[in-house]
Amino acid sequence: DGGITQSPKYLFRKEGQNVTLSCEQNLNHDAMYWYRQDPGQGLRLIYYSQIVNDFQKGDIAEGYSVSREKKESFPLTVTSAQKNPTAFYLCASSSSDTQYFGPGTRLTVL
Amino acid sequence: AQSVAQPEDQVNVAEGNPLTVKCTYSVSGNPYLFWYVQYPNRGLQFLLKYITGDNLVKGSYGFEAEFNKSQTSFHLKKPSALVSDSALYFCAVSPLAGFQKLVFGTGTRLLVSP
Repeated sequence: DGGITQSPKYLFRKEGQNVTLSCEQNLNHDAMYWYRQDPGQGLRLIYYSQIVNDFQKGDIAEGYSVSREKKESFPLTVTSAQKNPTAFYLCASSSSDTQYFGPGTRLTVL
Repeated sequence: AQSVAQPEDQVNVAEGNPLTVKCTYSVSGNPYLFWYVQYPNRGLQFLLKYITGDNLVKGSYGFEAEFNKSQTSFHLKKPSALVSDSALYFCAVSPLAGFQKLVFGTGTRLLVSP
């Protein structure tokens, strides 16, 4: 987990609210990623960014949005359009051929 | 499209015995293969990777993995399991070096009994 921080660790959201998950890295990595983890389904890619001010949709981008204004930061917004947002969210970064992960944020919709 | 299969949801082994966690993959071109471990409510920790070269890859905490191209497998192994090895293990594959779009397996839970 070293070098990549995610906050908060736990997040509770009421239905209809947007929430933003923070991801910061001090590894000087160019690429950053957001994954969603559900029990028994492994990790699924939401969005990824290879450079500042550029990002692409992953496999399950609907209901999510991101920004990449700084190399160190890649926040994820879970919008009210995401119908089933309760999950464990993982941020990762990479500079060459290996992704390193943050500690995760557990989001629960009340 | 690439895919990864981890055929066992759970592997049980006694402490001190060897362990194997299985992974098979499907990818066009040369595969780049990874193993990660996850402890409860934590992020994934990188264990080892195969990019090219020797088919036997050594990684962290005494783990190793063998790349078998003919069987499209990348099984994770350890000669002597520890109770502290109990965790969730993920295999992942990417068809590209450099920037990756990793595809993960569904994970295998390893339980090591004392």
